[in-house]
Amino acid sequence: GNSVTQMEGPVTLSEEAFLTINCTYTATGYPSLFWYVQYPGEGLQLLLKATKADDKGSNKGFEATYRKETTSFHLEKGSVQVSDSAVYFCALAAARGSTLGRLYFGRGTQLTVWP
Amino acid sequence: DGGITQSPKYLFRKEGQNVTLSCEQNLNHDAMYWYRQDPGQGLRLIYYSQIVNDFQKGDIAEGYSVSREKKESFPLTVTSAQKNPTAFYLCASSIERTTDTQYFGPGTRLTVL
Repeated sequence: GNSVTQMEGPVTLSEEAFLTINCTYTATGYPSLFWYVQYPGEGLQLLLKATKADDKGSNKGFEATYRKETTSFHLEKGSVQVSDSAVYFCALAAARGSTLGRLYFGRGTQLTVWP
Repeated sequence: DGGITQSPKYLFRKEGQNVTLSCEQNLNHDAMYWYRQDPGQGLRLIYYSQIVNDFQKGDIAEGYSVSREKKESFPLTVTSAQKNPTAFYLCASSIERTTDTQYFGPGTRLTVL
């Protein structure tokens, strides 16, 4: 089946620290992978995505590489800012069959960045 | 501007009442989705629709109903049969039901008193 496991939070960092949020997945076929971000009281916003193995998604200083061999899609940022404080969700879009296109989410990781 | 709107942002209802949450999109997307979010959990799929007049149950459809009479609209009704309806509800859409990106609305927080 399809599932996503991501690092449990909360994660608390000082401004300019390096961020890694781990995400691993189980899937049938070759899913697309996503990171979404949710600010308090809001919906989810797409942060970045990758659609095939070895693709690197990047946006706003965040990066994640689609690693088929380790079934991972870890989120990284070299220097976090206070404005990055949010909940981050890893997700996969099923690639085939009756679940085609369905998104499967991890539980989310709360990130808090202190000045 | 294109996007997804959900209304209202906050909704309060008494136990035993049905309530309908609105979701509208002007992105010309074929596929639409409803998710439920509870604290500390990921999003869970309630219903989804690939095209007008067609929809399928997701993982937690019991106690919910939907309709898709127009391409741009996908309302969700939370019925009195839903045992624990208090949650944050998110609507999303995508161009079609593929591995393409889903775009989310701002959400509706439903509280049942």
